Amino acid sequence: EAGVTQFPSHSVIEKGQTVTLRCDPISGHDNLYWYRRVMGKEIKFLLHFVKESKQDESGMPNNRFLAERTGGTYSTLKVQPAELEDSGVYFCASSLSDRTTEAFFGQGTRLTVV
Amino acid sequence: AQSVTQLGSHVSVSEGALVLLRCNYSSSVPPYLFWYVQYPNQGLQLLLKYTSAATLVKGINGFEAEFKKSETSFHLTKPSAHMSDAAEYFCAVSAWEGGKLIFGQGTELSVKP
Repeated sequence: EAGVTQFPSHSVIEKGQTVTLRCDPISGHDNLYWYRRVMGKEIKFLLHFVKESKQDESGMPNNRFLAERTGGTYSTLKVQPAELEDSGVYFCASSLSDRTTEAFFGQGTRLTVV
Repeated sequence: AQSVTQLGSHVSVSEGALVLLRCNYSSSVPPYLFWYVQYPNQGLQLLLKYTSAATLVKGINGFEAEFKKSETSFHLTKPSAHMSDAAEYFCAVSAWEGGKLIFGQGTELSVKP
């Protein structure tokens, strides 16, 4: 069974540009989470989807970040326009809706804004 | 509200020595507790989890952790460190299994030959 997959693994963009990160959760996992780790800081929650609905987006830093999960399958996280402080590693995780298993993480996308 | 504190951002041990990584949590609801490990250039991998069953939890690679409610702790231990244990370790708390995770700051473990 395929795990959580994130694309791209690395991205280097200039300040002011747009970047879109993608997460493919494990098939059948209704819960999808985005987290971010900025250099030297702890991993922080960004938002939570249940199927295609945003359940909790309290961790989104500002309106330059837009997350979508059309059809309740894969999710995208767009940063527009990117700022230097957006650099970090973005993790995606997914879990079952019946709350019987832990969340499984992807390998992360390392975003560098220069 | 929930929070996690990991004591020590860097821990160094000799190969064969005891590994002890400390984690204290705060939670207004019965917690689910996790330890994740991140090896260089890899994603987060679950080491072990506490889900209100046994308080002593055994995980992969010889690691274990004990849930102590009175101390609000969930420290990670391994009797004998191996070079391959060098990685960053994260303690996390959630209100339910598979739920939103609140992470500690992470502890980088170095293992000296």
